[in-house]
Amino acid sequence: AQTIHQWPVAEIKAVGSPLSLGCTIKGKSSPNLYWYWQATGGTLQQLFYSITVGQVESVVQLNLSASRPKDDQFILSTEKLLLSHSGFYLCAWSLGTGGGDTQYFGPGTRLLVL
Amino acid sequence: QQQVRQSSQSLTVWEGETAILNCSYENSAFDYFPWYQQFPGEGPALLIAIRSVSDKKEDGRFTIFFNKREKNLSLHIKDSQPGDSATYFCAANYNQGKLIFGQGTKLSIKP
Repeated sequence: AQTIHQWPVAEIKAVGSPLSLGCTIKGKSSPNLYWYWQATGGTLQQLFYSITVGQVESVVQLNLSASRPKDDQFILSTEKLLLSHSGFYLCAWSLGTGGGDTQYFGPGTRLLVL
Repeated sequence: QQQVRQSSQSLTVWEGETAILNCSYENSAFDYFPWYQQFPGEGPALLIAIRSVSDKKEDGRFTIFFNKREKNLSLHIKDSQPGDSATYFCAANYNQGKLIFGQGTKLSIKP
């Protein structure tokens, strides 16, 4: 069975500090991977997606970047955090692109920027 | 511009009733509509989904009714249980894995 793991579970960071969030998928080879951001009480906004190692497409940047160093790993990062980066970050995977693909979400990372 | 719109931010129904959550969209290119259920502090979980070629999809107590001409759909939850209390997101998928979410409807079931 496939599992999706996100780390860390939660972070409290200072404005201007760097950030790195991670996501690992086990049990599926070559999944499509996605990063989402969710404000408290808000909707989900897709940030990035990747269909293969080394290839990342930006949907909405929000002064963040993403990388896919391995087939099963997706990283979200920034060099300087803003207050507006606070929220819930979710990683998701799917089997393939195109209409009809179901996306499965991880447990999320809660980020508070002070 | 909100491309996927959920008509209610919150909805309260009594246990045993049918909860109806409404969603509308603007882009005719949208062709796949999943509904996700999210509990506080957790990631969303797929509940049920429908393709635009169908007008109804049923899975246990959950049914999606889809009207392509009117560009709207609804999620019906029969025999609502307190454990169904959660936030429900309507979403639309049209190209290259791009998924657009509605604002969510917070459903409360009164025992």
